[in-house]
Amino acid sequence: GAGVSQSPRYKVAKRGQDVALRCDPISGHVSLFWYQQALGQGPEFLTYFQNEAQLDKSGLPSDRFFAERPEGSVSTLKIQRTQQEDSAVYLCASSSQPNTEAFFGQGTRLTVV
Amino acid sequence: GESVGLHLPTLSVQEGDNSIINCAYSNSASDYFIWYKQESGKGPQFIIDIRSNMDKRQGQRVTVLLNKTVKHLSLQIAATQPGDSAVYFCAENMTGRRALTFGSGTRLQVQP
Repeated sequence: GAGVSQSPRYKVAKRGQDVALRCDPISGHVSLFWYQQALGQGPEFLTYFQNEAQLDKSGLPSDRFFAERPEGSVSTLKIQRTQQEDSAVYLCASSSQPNTEAFFGQGTRLTVV
Repeated sequence: GESVGLHLPTLSVQEGDNSIINCAYSNSASDYFIWYKQESGKGPQFIIDIRSNMDKRQGQRVTVLLNKTVKHLSLQIAATQPGDSAVYFCAENMTGRRALTFGSGTRLQVQP
């Protein structure tokens, strides 16, 4: 596609529910990133993939967060047993090569009630 | 859509004026810097980047200046337009690390 696509656009989850957020990066992009953006703050790094390999997951806040990119294209961020503090916008970005400009999707707004 | 940057520092300029948005970065090992624009309800949009071997880079109506001595980055927007109103983030990338570290952002308001 023309840009990074994320779905769903909005997600409301009850506390304790599991959620799965999808990212379709720009076709052919090797690098894929997930970021979390709380209201009024800049995006914070969660995890990074180079093709299908998850090379950095140092930003994942707890073991309830899990990300995968099994075929090196589409990625899914899964949050288990959601908590209210997980409410945020989850942004996906991709780049053609490491350390080049990263293009962001519009994000998924997660609200945990 | 949701608001971005409810409590961010704000720069207000008149339409047609030049804008300068500043950013201090903390890590001297950072070697790649990007400015992003984020409108309400949207993801960050790439504006311009610069590598640490450069001091200045120009794009269309935008210029980024990098001062490595004081670890300072600035974004200059010429002839600011109402469509430039958004939150602007600087982001840095440390050598050997893939992830970007974002600053706290500045809201730019353009008055007609």
